[in-house]
Amino acid sequence: KAGVTQTPRYLIKTRGQQVTLSCSPISGHRSVSWYQQTPGQGLQFLFEYFSETQRNKGNFPGRFSGRQFSNSRSEMNVSTLELGDSALYLCASSLGTTSGFYEQYFGPGTRLTVT
Amino acid sequence: GQSLEQPSEVTAVEGAIVQINCTYQTSGFYGLSWYQQHDGGAPTFLSYNALDGLEETGRFSSFLSRSDSYGYLLLQELQMKDSASYFCAVRDRGNTPLVFGKGTRLSVIA
Repeated sequence: KAGVTQTPRYLIKTRGQQVTLSCSPISGHRSVSWYQQTPGQGLQFLFEYFSETQRNKGNFPGRFSGRQFSNSRSEMNVSTLELGDSALYLCASSLGTTSGFYEQYFGPGTRLTVT
Repeated sequence: GQSLEQPSEVTAVEGAIVQINCTYQTSGFYGLSWYQQHDGGAPTFLSYNALDGLEETGRFSSFLSRSDSYGYLLLQELQMKDSASYFCAVRDRGNTPLVFGKGTRLSVIA
């Protein structure tokens, strides 16, 4: 079974631009979560989607948005990029059940650099 | 909301045993997960404890005490490849997100 894939793997953008990141979950997984990871900050939760519905949203500004499609693929968008948005963005999929939610499978991440 | 505390760094000798602790505060509780992340890699799932006690998976074991809001990850027969960051994670009851601790960086030395 194929793992979680994320595209692109690397991105360099300038301040003020916007970016769209894509995530394809493991086949059969209906839940997709997004995390931002920066050095020393661990994994900061961004969003969780289940069956095309946003189930949770983290404490990030409205410039961060996302969606999930009927095939469970998910995208996240960051508008008006700031230098502080430079980070590794990780997508994780899970079955979405109560216990299954604890067992998340992560993609390789998208390394975003804002200059 | 949830909060988790784990040591930021731990150093241990190859072949030894190391324990990484995690204390948490949640308003409700389903269970405790552990993840491993090597430098430059993505986090990978290690274990999940929903009930009190010790769960063993090869050289790794995870323990949970719900009454103490405490858990730990035990790594035995340490190998150099175990050098990585280890994260604990919890989730409140209801439709709440999985929240990760800030991670413990384990360095295994010869």
